[in-house]
Amino acid sequence: DAKTTQPPSMDCAEGRAANLPCNHSTISGNEYVYWYRQIHSQGPQYIIHGLKNNETNEMASLIITEDRKSSTLILPHATLRDTAVYYCIVRRRRDRDDKIIFGKGTRLHILP
Amino acid sequence: DSGVTQTPKHLITATGQRVTLRCSPRSGDLSVYWYQQSLDQGLQFLIQYYNGEERAKGNILERFSAQQFPDLHSELNLSSLELGDSALYFCASSVRAGGDNEQFFGPGTRLTVL
Repeated sequence: DAKTTQPPSMDCAEGRAANLPCNHSTISGNEYVYWYRQIHSQGPQYIIHGLKNNETNEMASLIITEDRKSSTLILPHATLRDTAVYYCIVRRRRDRDDKIIFGKGTRLHILP
Repeated sequence: DSGVTQTPKHLITATGQRVTLRCSPRSGDLSVYWYQQSLDQGLQFLIQYYNGEERAKGNILERFSAQQFPDLHSELNLSSLELGDSALYFCASSVRAGGDNEQFFGPGTRLTVL
């Protein structure tokens, strides 16, 4: 079973910020939150990850709540090319038995 | 382009056959992961290798096997193929094993079993 819960789909207007939520209420202290996206049937693309603190890179920002039970991925200025399925996953820090579980993700539609 | 290469891009075969999928990780990456993505199951983790050693096993069938070679490329062997094995198979690589480093995915191999 997926360890994360995401809405199945979301819409966002082009040029606006897209805020994608993820619930990971059973996350443990040594687990990272990762975000990937998949455009059509291409290989998933890494976006960002974090442990406790908020993170930002050239693609997106990741906001993790203080209790770490949920997070939000923010695409600051969505474009049509951001239309994709977005996956939120948690991964253990340990280097063994890292059985990665992808859920069904959120299908993000960017509207022109 | 992630730097991860997979061959072949497409493969069509018949039930009962055996195929081998190949993955070359990014330069410098020691860890390789295999995933299966079918329409009804989503992205399923199969197995992970690090520097030739198996490190994690997911929902990999006994008919499937994998290995990572000394040059770090990996192969996924699928035998006694069934119609339900038709799927996209992705390989990903990362510098290290463990959840504190991101994976980079290849373009995938689309397997069709007739």
